[in-house]
Amino acid sequence: KNEVEQSPQNLTAQEGEFITINCSYSVGISALHWLQQHPGGGIVSLFMLSSGKKKHGRLIATINIQEKHSSLHITASHPRDSAVYICAVSAPRHGGSQGNLIFGKGTKLSVKP
Amino acid sequence: SAVISQKPSRDICQRGTSLTIQCQVDSQVTMMFWYRQQPGQSLTLIATANQGSEATYESGFVIDKFPISRPNLTFSTLTVSNMSPEDSSIYLCSVVKDRVDGYTFGSGTRLTVV
Repeated sequence: KNEVEQSPQNLTAQEGEFITINCSYSVGISALHWLQQHPGGGIVSLFMLSSGKKKHGRLIATINIQEKHSSLHITASHPRDSAVYICAVSAPRHGGSQGNLIFGKGTKLSVKP
Repeated sequence: SAVISQKPSRDICQRGTSLTIQCQVDSQVTMMFWYRQQPGQSLTLIATANQGSEATYESGFVIDKFPISRPNLTFSTLTVSNMSPEDSSIYLCSVVKDRVDGYTFGSGTRLTVV
């Protein structure tokens, strides 16, 4: 079992729909990250959070530390939101180098016009 | 937050050759990392680039195959040596400027080995 699990793996939505991507983790973390990867491979950091909720434009990220669960929501989705969304956790005690991230496998989102 | 310039963005290389990928940051950063993303897989940490000393490699990665340099706090290189088709991946550098800033990722290098 992976330390970071995302669902769904693939998601197709119609433009305007409300989208939710889920992330569950099984290790102790200092922070959780939501990342966006475009087809060229480059990655953009969307959110870093350790508690509560953050909002940026049409994107909202929430985290429940007790349940070890986070969600990424996209309101009024648009074709330009099509990308792979990756959940990653900073888990200092997990091993590896300081600052190592543990990544989920990503959710491929396709928004149709 | 930091801005990263990663080069090249993509390359097609012959088996047995080597490719050096550069990561230039617009400001001094505390930590620099190199990741690999094989097709259809999640990112895997190759190593932490240490300024002025040998990189710290993760299990399964060795210096002879992936030599890394970090001569100062704004620049690092990763070389993929003696390439084989199995090395075809996206390679990404990432930096941490400070705890508040979090992680910044480069635009990635898409490598194809033929």
